[in-house]
Amino acid sequence: DGGITQSPKYLFRKEGQNVTLSCEQNLNHDAMYWYRQDPGQGLRLIYYSQIVNDFQKGDIAEGYSVSREKKESFPLTVTSAQKNPTAFYLCASSETATGFYNSPLHFGNGTRLTVT
Amino acid sequence: SQQGEEDPQALSIQEGENATMNCSYKTSINNLQWYRQNSGRGLVHLILIRSNEREKHSGRLRVTLDTSKKSSSLLITASRAADTASYFCATGIQGAQKLVFGQGTRLTINP
Repeated sequence: DGGITQSPKYLFRKEGQNVTLSCEQNLNHDAMYWYRQDPGQGLRLIYYSQIVNDFQKGDIAEGYSVSREKKESFPLTVTSAQKNPTAFYLCASSETATGFYNSPLHFGNGTRLTVT
Repeated sequence: SQQGEEDPQALSIQEGENATMNCSYKTSINNLQWYRQNSGRGLVHLILIRSNEREKHSGRLRVTLDTSKKSSSLLITASRAADTASYFCATGIQGAQKLVFGQGTRLTINP
């Protein structure tokens, strides 16, 4: 079955450590996204990529980094510069590389990151 | 207030009743989308309605869009326990290459 796989489901890290969240898709979608969700909140866009080797900052990119070396993969690194990293992180993809807001997003099941 | 705001924040109804959730927004949009999120899971796309459409149906779901009032509603008919989830509207903002999510409505269906 086609879909988006995020791993791990739960991640625990000590403050000051960088951590990388994995996102893989086999939907052959051009565009991929990372969102952050805090309790009782909507989703906020961290980074997005419309094509391999290119990505753009979203609304809350500070303290995060991404890469897009392959179409299927869009890993997110939460760096020690992120002041409040504990959150639920969601990866998504969509079919169209341009005007992505006109296409439904397909989401993975998320990674819950806890930093202590 | 935010671009997409759902109302109510929480809704609890009996199984079999209809559930209505509303979404209001501020700026011009290309489309409005509704998503469902079960606890601890990712979001699942339900319906996309374009700015030139007024109503769309999908199974027990009915979505309306009133661009003059900048609002949308999601109606779930004959609710089931499995409909218990959070529902989010997301607006595709015209000219901004952006999809903005609201804070969601938490729906509980009581058996």
